[in-house]
Amino acid sequence: NAGVTQTPKFRILKIGQSMTLQCTQDMNHNYMYWYRQDPGMGLKLIYYSVGAGITDKGEVPNGYNVSRSTTEDFPLRLELAAPSQTSVYFCASFNRVMYGYTFGSGTRLTVV
Amino acid sequence: AQKVTQAQTEISVVEKEDVTLDCVYETRDTTYYLFWYKQPPSGELVFLIRRNSFDEQNEISGRYSWNFQKSTSSFNFTITASQVVDSAVYFCALSEASGGSNYKLTFGKGTLLTVNP
Repeated sequence: NAGVTQTPKFRILKIGQSMTLQCTQDMNHNYMYWYRQDPGMGLKLIYYSVGAGITDKGEVPNGYNVSRSTTEDFPLRLELAAPSQTSVYFCASFNRVMYGYTFGSGTRLTVV
Repeated sequence: AQKVTQAQTEISVVEKEDVTLDCVYETRDTTYYLFWYKQPPSGELVFLIRRNSFDEQNEISGRYSWNFQKSTSSFNFTITASQVVDSAVYFCALSEASGGSNYKLTFGKGTLLTVNP
């Protein structure tokens, strides 16, 4: 099925641990985005990429890193997990021709 | 900078009532797109509608309708004869279509709609 795939769906991390949230799309979209959703706060942009090898910071990048070595993959890295990073994370890709966004199903992360 | 305001944090209605969710946006671009998404309790984001800045026609889809008014920078969403299955968080979002914005999507904080039987 064409779309955006996020793994894992759920994860519990201890403070100070690191992990990578995976995001893969098979639609050949150049534009990809990572958002976090906190209760009552909507979705905020963490990082985005306009194509392989090009990434840039969004509104809330602190504590995260990304890479984009291929068009398909856009992983999000948490190096030293903190309780403030407890959130639901969404990855999305953008189709310029159709002007539409495809979202993954989300990753629910809890840092304890 | 683009901004979306959903002033209603929570709305509670009884089934079959009509309900309107408000959305006010700010942008300097003349070309932009507005979106509504539904997030049911299961957590996924469900696309409802996209409207570009040059099309101010109102749209109706079944029990859903949208009122886009550039003069007041608003893009309101009405559910007619609400049902329990409409209970969800609803997000309004804005994307500036100029290439310089890199098509980043800015979301409002969302409105939690609860429809009681």
